[in-house]
Amino acid sequence: DQQVKQNSPSLSVQEGRISILNCDYTNSMFDYFLWYKKYPAEGPTFLISISSIKDKNEDGRFTVFLNKSAKHLSLHIVPSQPGDSAVYFCAASAGNQGGKLIFGQGTELSVKP
Amino acid sequence: SQTIHQWPATLVQPVGSPLSLECTVEGTSNPNLYWYRQAAGRGLQLLFYSVGIGQISSEVPQNLSASRPQDRQFILSSKKLLLSDSGFYLCAWSVGGALYEQYFGPGTRLTVT
Repeated sequence: DQQVKQNSPSLSVQEGRISILNCDYTNSMFDYFLWYKKYPAEGPTFLISISSIKDKNEDGRFTVFLNKSAKHLSLHIVPSQPGDSAVYFCAASAGNQGGKLIFGQGTELSVKP
Repeated sequence: SQTIHQWPATLVQPVGSPLSLECTVEGTSNPNLYWYRQAAGRGLQLLFYSVGIGQISSEVPQNLSASRPQDRQFILSSKKLLLSDSGFYLCAWSVGGALYEQYFGPGTRLTVT
């Protein structure tokens, strides 16, 4: 059972435009959500997170939106840059699971100059 | 500042051979430690996590085992590797409970031949 789903395996965006990466989850007990960025042959790096008590968190070019009723979160990157090209994973955790993260399958973002 | 080390970076092992991957964390005490695997074209799968020395929780039944002999050392092992054990193995750490980010090491690329 895939509790965290990223239904788009890939996304291609023009430099300077907005990139929107989506993530859906099924477990209503999830209360913390994170986005990670991963380059090939490297470990994921933490990008941004959001608690379930918020619906938006912004950090520079990156904004995460959370819609609890729809069990959906998204990551917006504005403006997109070629260096943003990577695989993006969303992850979720529940307070009663000791900090374990459940990851989606990832979306490969390609930002074209 | 905290750093996490993994070695080796790459490893090619024959089927049936043993495995030992090591992960160490510096700059923090009593971290939560995690082992993940990323199979080709797949997301990150949590294999083991540990909240303290000698405390290991297994997430999926498999051919692997984990040990935590010291506070900041986490070891992933196998007595006999299978072809299906090939993948990218990632160690991660966090502090606190569910609402804290996990930080990943550089990973080990394991190819079982």
